[in-house]
Amino acid sequence: NAGVTQTPKFQVLKTGQSMTLQCAQDMNHEYMSWYRQDPGMGLRLIHYSVGAGITDQGEVPNGYNVSRSTTEDFPLRLLSAAPSQTSVYFCASSYSRLASSYEQYFGPGTRLTVT
Amino acid sequence: EDQVTQSPEALRLQEGESSSLNCSYTVSGLRGLFWYRQDPGKGPEFLFTLYSAGEEKEKERLKATLTKKESFLHITAPKPEDSATYLCAVQATGAGSYQLTFGKGTKLSVIP
Repeated sequence: NAGVTQTPKFQVLKTGQSMTLQCAQDMNHEYMSWYRQDPGMGLRLIHYSVGAGITDQGEVPNGYNVSRSTTEDFPLRLLSAAPSQTSVYFCASSYSRLASSYEQYFGPGTRLTVT
Repeated sequence: EDQVTQSPEALRLQEGESSSLNCSYTVSGLRGLFWYRQDPGKGPEFLFTLYSAGEEKEKERLKATLTKKESFLHITAPKPEDSATYLCAVQATGAGSYQLTFGKGTKLSVIP
């Protein structure tokens, strides 16, 4: 199993450009989520999904869109990048929202810089 | 609003010098408390889940404990390879309980 994979590892964007951060998991996990990690702020939840076709907003959703057409993939879209979106982005997944054991497994991260 | 506060922000230990990291939390109802380890440039790696006060879990030199208001991560005789940032997170019960609330972490440095 590859676990949770993310691409790209690094990305530089200009203000106003759009892009999609890719996330995939091969563990048949129902729950997937996107976090951003900024110095001094900790991990903050952007969007999450509890299954294919179901998504919802987290703590900091503005400027980001998500969709979940398959169990395996959960892409994060930046429609018009802003310097405030410079951050490290992590995708995570866990087995089931109903499972008694709810630990999330994280991908290696995408470091995004917006100039 | 769920809150997680970790202390200290940074901790330097000599190899073999045992210590504890603290995670204080405020949550309406606790479904689970999680500890993660994060190495520089990597994603967080799951360590433990604790569900109820009094519970303890161990893994090698690490032992996590839980009370109704805080959790401790005890590190016994640490080695340089234990150097990392340790993150604590809580998951609440009830509506919206899919979300984890993370603390800012404790950066641990173990000096040979």
